[in-house]
Amino acid sequence: AQSVTQLDSQVPVFEEAPVELRCNYSSSVSVYLFWYVQYPNQGLQLLLKYLSGSTLVESINGFEAEFNKSQTSFHLRKPSVHISDTAEYFCAVSGNSGGYQKVTFGTGTKLQVIP
Amino acid sequence: DVKVTQSSRYLVKRTGEKVFLECVQDMDHENMFWYRQDPGLGLRLIYFSYDVKMKEKGDIPEGYSVSREKKERFSLILESASTNQTSMYLCASSSPGSAQETQYFGPGTRLLVL
Repeated sequence: AQSVTQLDSQVPVFEEAPVELRCNYSSSVSVYLFWYVQYPNQGLQLLLKYLSGSTLVESINGFEAEFNKSQTSFHLRKPSVHISDTAEYFCAVSGNSGGYQKVTFGTGTKLQVIP
Repeated sequence: DVKVTQSSRYLVKRTGEKVFLECVQDMDHENMFWYRQDPGLGLRLIYFSYDVKMKEKGDIPEGYSVSREKKERFSLILESASTNQTSMYLCASSSPGSAQETQYFGPGTRLLVL
């Protein structure tokens, strides 16, 4: 079984300040880790993912996440947020279950950037 | 770019009605998924399909059924809508392969059952 925990349901932050959105996971097998973003009135879209190799992965819009196996975490960070980053962020783990892809999503963190 | 479309952005139905939610993807993906999204609960998998005419139950299939007659189309059916099915419904697709695959989502259908 696999699970994802996002402890922070909402994170308010001032524009140009740094932010960290926390994600912890559990799984009995190897998994792959994702962050998806949902802008208002839209579906989810991939922000970044960790498959293997370097534990630090980056997105094209300045977000980064670090895979920490010992702490079973995949926290998302950005050094300076912009108003346009206001959205809901979902952490997800993906593994194989019965030969199929099984994706488990966290409950989401709403990032509110304050001007 | 992958495009996943859903037939309606907003739907209002009455209790007991049969409801059809349609999803179409244009990237020839084998895998398609239906989730519901509720505040504080994140996304929960209702059903998924890995091939035409094939379906598998997800975590919360009760009260729902699905149909996959064509590769590009995956329909979610609420046989007799109830108020606890008021939710945001998201369709997704992905190409076959391992657990590394990215899922591509439609814009969602917000369903209100009165």
